[in-house]
Amino acid sequence: AQRVTQPEKLLSVFKGAPVELKCNYSYSGSPELFWYVQYSRQRLQLLLRHISRESIKGFTADLNKGETSFHLKKPFAQEEDSAMYYCALRTGNTDKLIFGTGTRLQVFP
Amino acid sequence: GAVVSQHPSRVICKSGTSVKIECRSLDFQATTMFWYRQFPKQSLMLMATSNEGSKATYEQGVEKDKFLINHASLTLSTLTVTSAHPEDSSFYICSARMGQGWHEQFFGPGTRLTVL
Repeated sequence: AQRVTQPEKLLSVFKGAPVELKCNYSYSGSPELFWYVQYSRQRLQLLLRHISRESIKGFTADLNKGETSFHLKKPFAQEEDSAMYYCALRTGNTDKLIFGTGTRLQVFP
Repeated sequence: GAVVSQHPSRVICKSGTSVKIECRSLDFQATTMFWYRQFPKQSLMLMATSNEGSKATYEQGVEKDKFLINHASLTLSTLTVTSAHPEDSSFYICSARMGQGWHEQFFGPGTRLTVL
């Protein structure tokens, strides 16, 4: 079955601390992984996709097919990073996105 | 960037009535729109995919006669919850995508439906 797992519902860190939001997926084919972010009172928006291999707002994520993971990392968290983060999986050539349950990141000053 | 709007943002209705939710792409033509449902503290679950001018494709377990989707133009899709019941209370989110192949989905702000 196709599934995305985000084991942490809440992750709290202090400003300047490193952050890693975990995401694991289950899919037998070639996956395409995404991270979406939802800031307070705002809509869901794309943060980054693994194919792009880019760093957005200091965040990076590497697809590890051996561990079926796509963890989101940032070396120094900022208060403005506080938001809800969703990992998503796109399978095959479809447009469907399968979302994880999300992790709320709280960055304290 | 591309903007997707939803109307209404919040609706309360009585059990047995029907509710229509609109999803509009404001500054681009959306060949495909998606409807998601999100229960509290849970993930977004795809309900259906709609392409302009054709019938929507529903996910397994979603009743197409219960959740009517119309994508009559390249900028508008509607979701009608027919004969709503309290268990239909949820947060409904649409997204829109332009073109074919991979294109980013742009999400609407969501509609909170409460059925009394």
